[in-house]
Amino acid sequence: RKEVEQDPGPFNVPEGATVAFNCTYSNSASQSFFWYRQDCRKEPKLLMSVYSSGNEDGRFTAQLNRASQYISLLIRDSKLSDSATYLCVVNVANTGNQFYFGTGTSLTVIP
Amino acid sequence: DGGITQSPKYLFRKEGQNVTLSCEQNLNHDAMYWYRQDPGQGLRLIYYSQIVNDFQKGDIAEGYSVSREKKESFPLTVTSAQKNPTAFYLCASTTTGTGPYEQYFGPGTRLTVT
Repeated sequence: RKEVEQDPGPFNVPEGATVAFNCTYSNSASQSFFWYRQDCRKEPKLLMSVYSSGNEDGRFTAQLNRASQYISLLIRDSKLSDSATYLCVVNVANTGNQFYFGTGTSLTVIP
Repeated sequence: DGGITQSPKYLFRKEGQNVTLSCEQNLNHDAMYWYRQDPGQGLRLIYYSQIVNDFQKGDIAEGYSVSREKKESFPLTVTSAQKNPTAFYLCASTTTGTGPYEQYFGPGTRLTVT
């Protein structure tokens, strides 16, 4: 079983749409959670950390459900520049501070 | 500016040759990591190091070697024993302790072996 699982998509949405990505993780000892964005042929870049109470950064909202071991990312008012692959990342401290990555969800925002 | 540098950006080698990828960080981070990414796939951990002069194997360490002689540097050698070395290699670092602490990535090295 993979440590982190994501729907690979692709998600093709029109500009202005709201889109949600989901991610599940298998290790209940996971302690830190992140969403990264990766553009084609580039390195991943941190989009936002995910906190237990949920957090928002502009058009982006992240939620964490520890009971269900589930993380989500909501993007409102999609822009063309949001087109990228979104990676769900989990840090498990009792594995020597390893990070586990989902395979990513591809988003294309269409004009 | 603080960050992680990887060099070179593109690297071409003949089969049977060892090659060393450079990774340097000036973020004063304790932990450093090497990942491999193949087209359409997620990141897979090759090696990681939490402290100078110590490192651990990740999920796909076979055919790779690393050293961590300085806090700032974590070079990766791809040996001729690695069966499918062509890939995008990413170096990352993070601080340690009570988090959450996110990872920061270098720009990556694309290695092509023919």
